[in-house]
Amino acid sequence: NAGVTQTPKFQVLKTGQSMTLQCAQDMNHNSMYWYRQDPGMGLRLIYYSASEGTTDKGEVPNGYNVSRLNKREFSLRLESAAPSQTSVYFCASSAGGAGETQYFGPGTRLLVL
Amino acid sequence: GNSVTQMEGPVTLSEEAFLTINCTYTATGYPSLFWYVQYPGEGLQLLLKATKADDKGSNKGFEATYRKETTSFHLEKGSVQVSDSAVYFCALGSVSNYKLTFGKGTLLTVNP
Repeated sequence: NAGVTQTPKFQVLKTGQSMTLQCAQDMNHNSMYWYRQDPGMGLRLIYYSASEGTTDKGEVPNGYNVSRLNKREFSLRLESAAPSQTSVYFCASSAGGAGETQYFGPGTRLLVL
Repeated sequence: GNSVTQMEGPVTLSEEAFLTINCTYTATGYPSLFWYVQYPGEGLQLLLKATKADDKGSNKGFEATYRKETTSFHLEKGSVQVSDSAVYFCALGSVSNYKLTFGKGTLLTVNP
């Protein structure tokens, strides 16, 4: 059982380049999430999708877009990368509903030069 | 809004020492409470959870009790091992939406 998978594991971009981070889960979960993790800041929610067909902004959505492609997949796009977006990005999923446990992927380490 | 405050690290202990990592929260209603652990180079894993007041979550020798009166969910372990070295996150699950609110994390290093 793979759980939550993310690609790529590591990426280097130049300022202004675009890229899409991919996330998939095989647990038949309704809800999916994108977080970024920065030193001393904990995890901050970028966007989430409570169910297939819906997406909502989290705490730090500026500079990002998301697509809930189907129930399994939730992608995060950086249209014009900036050095401030250098971070580790985690995707998570949950069965849905308030207070449910979230299950995390292994992360994507992104460096923007 | 919801918030989680956990003790600042880093915390350095010798093997077999007692561990406490404090966590307090601010929330409306009766949220679910979680401890997640992140080992080096990995994603977060659920360590334990509690969904109502006075519940005790436990796993791998770690325990935490949901204290409504003190709005706390402190993590404890009686005898830590080198393999417990990791970052520990306290988190709160909202009662009104699907979001988790995380503390900033506490780095634990256990020396042999």
